[in-house]
Amino acid sequence: SQTIHQWPATLVQPVGSPLSLECTVEGTSNPNLYWYRQAAGRGLQLLFYSVGIGQISSEVPQNLSASRPQDRQFILSSKKLLLSDSGFYLCARTDTTSTDTQYFGPGTRLTVL
Amino acid sequence: AQSVSQHNHHVILSEAASLELGCNYSYGGTVNLFWYVQYPGQHLQLLLKYFSGDPLVKGIKGFEAEFIKSKFSFNLRKPSVQWSDTAEYFCAVNENDYKLSFGAGTTVTVRA
Repeated sequence: SQTIHQWPATLVQPVGSPLSLECTVEGTSNPNLYWYRQAAGRGLQLLFYSVGIGQISSEVPQNLSASRPQDRQFILSSKKLLLSDSGFYLCARTDTTSTDTQYFGPGTRLTVL
Repeated sequence: AQSVSQHNHHVILSEAASLELGCNYSYGGTVNLFWYVQYPGQHLQLLLKYFSGDPLVKGIKGFEAEFIKSKFSFNLRKPSVQWSDTAEYFCAVNENDYKLSFGAGTTVTVRA
């Protein structure tokens, strides 16, 4: 089966601290990978997507960055967190047979204090 | 950029009632349409999708959605809800292979 792992599940960080969220995918090769943020009362906002190793497209200019060091690994980072970075971060992948459908991981709840 | 509107922020209904959630999108070209559901404490899951063909699509757990191109709509329906349908429902649209645009979501609360 194709599984998405995200860690940590929850994270509380002070303003100005760095961030690293990790997403790994099992059971698939060369998937498209995505980072979304879900804020309370809002839909999902696409932050970054990647169609291959080292290939990152940014959708929203902000305090965050993404990297894809391996085919099945997608990392979301920040050098200095802001209060507004709080939210629920979801990693998603496409199916190997259909790049039109996205499947989501369990998410990471980030609280910046 | 694609705009997706979900008309209801929160819907409360009783078991066995019928459910319809509205979704409208802005793009006039060819689109793929999705409904996702997030049950309390669980992952965001795909409920159903429409790519082409019959505009009435059936998904898991008795849900269906109808694509009406002239109205730019993709409304979700279920004839008789259960308490276990309590969840947040998201409509999503993509114009190409890479990007999904989501609506703000509708929280559905089903009272036993």
